[in-house]
Amino acid sequence: SQELEQSPQSLIVQEGKNLTINCTSSKTLYGLYWYKQKYGEGLIFLMMLQKGGEEKSHEKITAKLDEKKQQSSLHITASQPSHAGIYLCGADGYTGANSKLTFGKGITLSVRP
Amino acid sequence: EPEVTQTPSHQVTQMGQEVILRCVPISNHLYFYWYRQILGQKVEFLVSFYNNEISEKSEIFDDQFSVERPDGSNFTLKIRSTKLEDSAMYFCASRVQGINTEAFFGQGTRLTVV
Repeated sequence: SQELEQSPQSLIVQEGKNLTINCTSSKTLYGLYWYKQKYGEGLIFLMMLQKGGEEKSHEKITAKLDEKKQQSSLHITASQPSHAGIYLCGADGYTGANSKLTFGKGITLSVRP
Repeated sequence: EPEVTQTPSHQVTQMGQEVILRCVPISNHLYFYWYRQILGQKVEFLVSFYNNEISEKSEIFDDQFSVERPDGSNFTLKIRSTKLEDSAMYFCASRVQGINTEAFFGQGTRLTVV
């Protein structure tokens, strides 16, 4: 089964600082998803990456998938308190046309004002 | 913007009782999922559902669990005889295709078994 390791486990940054979090897969990734979760709430979709070397940006968040499609990073530029939350990476396990999304344990980000 | 809706938001039940968690997926979506998140732990896959049948289920999804799409719009998760360890946040999700597309998640139902 697909195992996703996320690092670091948690992160505290000062507002305005840049940060990068990582997601590493034990297998080749067919679809890699980044979600954000506020404590006790649902998962909010951020970005999906499919191709090796792909990079996507939305506002101050950039996600990349490496060429081998086994590692993804999420970079936040000039962090704000609104970026605080739990960041989860998820992946499609290749089971044909219907796949389940499995998730890493998540990275808790705190942003100090 | 379309969204996945879950009811109730909170449910407290006595051990051994049956509970039904309800979800209304996005209307043009064909693939449906239930996930569970025990407090402080990871989001765990329970079951996927397509074309009115279970596509895949995890080892968590034992005989006490069942899913149904009773009327073409609702998607339900039933736990027949709840245990203390079933206490968790349960999330419903749906997507247009079964792979390589964004899954939309509901806000969750917090189930507390006492």
